[in-house]
This record gives sequence, C-alpha cells and structure tokens, in this order.
Amino acid sequence: EDQVTQSPEALRLQEGESSSLNCSYTVSGLRGLFWYRQDPGKGPEFLFTLYSAGEEKEKERLKATLTKKESFLHITAPKPEDSATYLCAVHTGGFKTIFGAGTRLFVKA
Amino acid sequence: GAVVSQHPSWVICKSGTSVKIECRSLDFQATTMFWYRQFPKQSLMLMATSNEGSKATYEQGVEKDKFLINHASLTLSTLTVTSAHPEDSSFYICSARRVMGSTDTQYFGPGTRLTVL
Repeated sequence: EDQVTQSPEALRLQEGESSSLNCSYTVSGLRGLFWYRQDPGKGPEFLFTLYSAGEEKEKERLKATLTKKESFLHITAPKPEDSATYLCAVHTGGFKTIFGAGTRLFVKA
Repeated sequence: GAVVSQHPSWVICKSGTSVKIECRSLDFQATTMFWYRQFPKQSLMLMATSNEGSKATYEQGVEKDKFLINHASLTLSTLTVTSAHPEDSSFYICSARRVMGSTDTQYFGPGTRLTVL
C-alpha cells in the first residue's frame, strides 16, 4: 500500500537552531516528491520538487534532499517567520498524489 | 508564475442552500484540477479530480451528487456543495496541475472557508 509518513508531528525550535524534517515513503513508481509550506487558513505554497535519489534543492534557509526511501527538509538557522506546517506529497504512477500528515514547525524568537 | 485563485475566500450559508466555489489558474492552462478538503490540524483529503471536458473522478466515500464539479475550461473548475449542512463546514482547497517539459507540479489556491449554519 502506498504510504507517506512525516515526522515529527510537531517541532519546536529556537531561532537559529537548525533541524530537519523527515518524509518517508513507500510507493510504487515514484514520479516526484513535493514539499509545500502551509500557513494557517491558507492553501499550501509550493516549495520544491525532487525526482530522483541524490537530488537536492535549496531555497533561502531550506534545503530538500531525496533518497530512495525518504526525503529531508533541512532548515538552517530558522526564523520565527519560518513557523508553518510543512507538507510532503508524492506523485505515483497515474498521477495519484499522496500527502503526508505534515510537520508543524514553531520557531521561537 | 503558477498562480491559482479561489473565490470566495470564505462563505457563510444557511443549512439547505447550495454554495459554488470557483478555482482558476491565472497564468497557465490546467487540463486537470483537484479539489481537497481539510479539517483543522489535519492534512489534505482529496475529494475529486476534475478533468476539462469530462466528468470528474471522485474518491471513495465522496458523494458525487453532493459535491458537483464542473471543469468548464482549461482555467476554471467549480465545486458546488448542494444542500449544504453543518457537517459540510470545512476548508476547501483546489489545485491545478501544470505540466512543463519534464516537470509536473500541483499549485494550490488559497482555500475557501465554508461555514454552514
């Protein structure tokens, strides 16, 4: 059964305290792995797409990496404005999208 | 680029009335759009896949007569919640699929908060 699991469910960091969010997946025929950021009461905002193991993408303080079993979203020196829910989603064959439950990130000044 | 809009952003209606939500891809054509529902502190639940020019594909457990979807053009899909009841109150989010070369990405709208009294 196709499955996407994100951990931890919630993460509390001090400003400047770097950390990583995990997205592990079990799918048949990965067509792409996506990271989104969602603020309360808003739709998800696209961050990154990763297609193959070993691929990395960076944007400001965020860096996404992909292996054959999981993806990490590294947050370097986070700021309070990075507080949000980060969603991971995988596209399988036939363009079926499976979302993880998300990681709620809280960054305290 | 890749902007998706939704209208309205929020709506309050009486039980038994119908509500229409629009989803538009503003700067690209989308043959496929998706409708999601999200409950507080939960992830997105796919309701249906909307295909331009054909009938929508509904996920298991989603009533097609309750949630009417029309994908009238390459930039517009609508979701109509018919005979709405308080249990239909939720956050509804649409997304549009953009395919460019080898990239294939969903871009999301800002969501519509529906409250049924």
